[in-house]
Amino acid sequence: DAKTTQPPSMDCAEGRAANLPCNHSTISGNEYVYWYRQIHSQGPQYIIHGLKNNETNEMASLIITEDRKSSTLILPHATLRDTAVYYCIVRVAPDSWGKLQFGAGTQVVVTP
Amino acid sequence: EAQVTQNPRYLITVTGKKLTVTCSQNMNHEYMSWYRQDPGLGLRQIYYSMNVEVTDKGDVPEGYKVSRKEKRNFPLILESPSPNQTSLYFCASSPQTGWRGYTFGSGTRLTVV
Repeated sequence: DAKTTQPPSMDCAEGRAANLPCNHSTISGNEYVYWYRQIHSQGPQYIIHGLKNNETNEMASLIITEDRKSSTLILPHATLRDTAVYYCIVRVAPDSWGKLQFGAGTQVVVTP
Repeated sequence: EAQVTQNPRYLITVTGKKLTVTCSQNMNHEYMSWYRQDPGLGLRQIYYSMNVEVTDKGDVPEGYKVSRKEKRNFPLILESPSPNQTSLYFCASSPQTGWRGYTFGSGTRLTVV
């Protein structure tokens, strides 16, 4: 699976959009981009995933560049409960088993 | 409610005393896995199971055993715990197809003294 690079930390004001970048320059054609988050020692939580089109669900939006070498997770209206470590993970297509290779992630702190 | 349940949430034990951490899922998922999380090392996979009676080693299997006799349960066994197994443990499950993401348990914080 391709390796990802994320900033170690970022702050965001409550109510504002949080834009979390991720670089995955070695991503291959059959690899998807997944985002998880972990709220202080709780189990990681799936947020969203995508291949090349932008995706949106009730939690967030995922923007993937046309060359697929980077992506941005957008939390449209950050709340204090969004304070967590966010992991960007690249792995092969959904219908296959496999472990998740977690990196260090980005510690996001949402402030009042 | 669809969930992965781990027990216990917290456990303090002594070196060499066998213990089992249980994991159960109610989503009829084929795939189950155990991870440990340590400061500076992130989440690392210990063992995984693709279905009943099918298990295999992950990245850090030494000192651990697992079994998958039923689809819903995937216990983690420490036959002779040592202090270096002090960690936060997570169980996860996912379906084999239509994969949208792994569901993780709430974690078990184990301390071996």
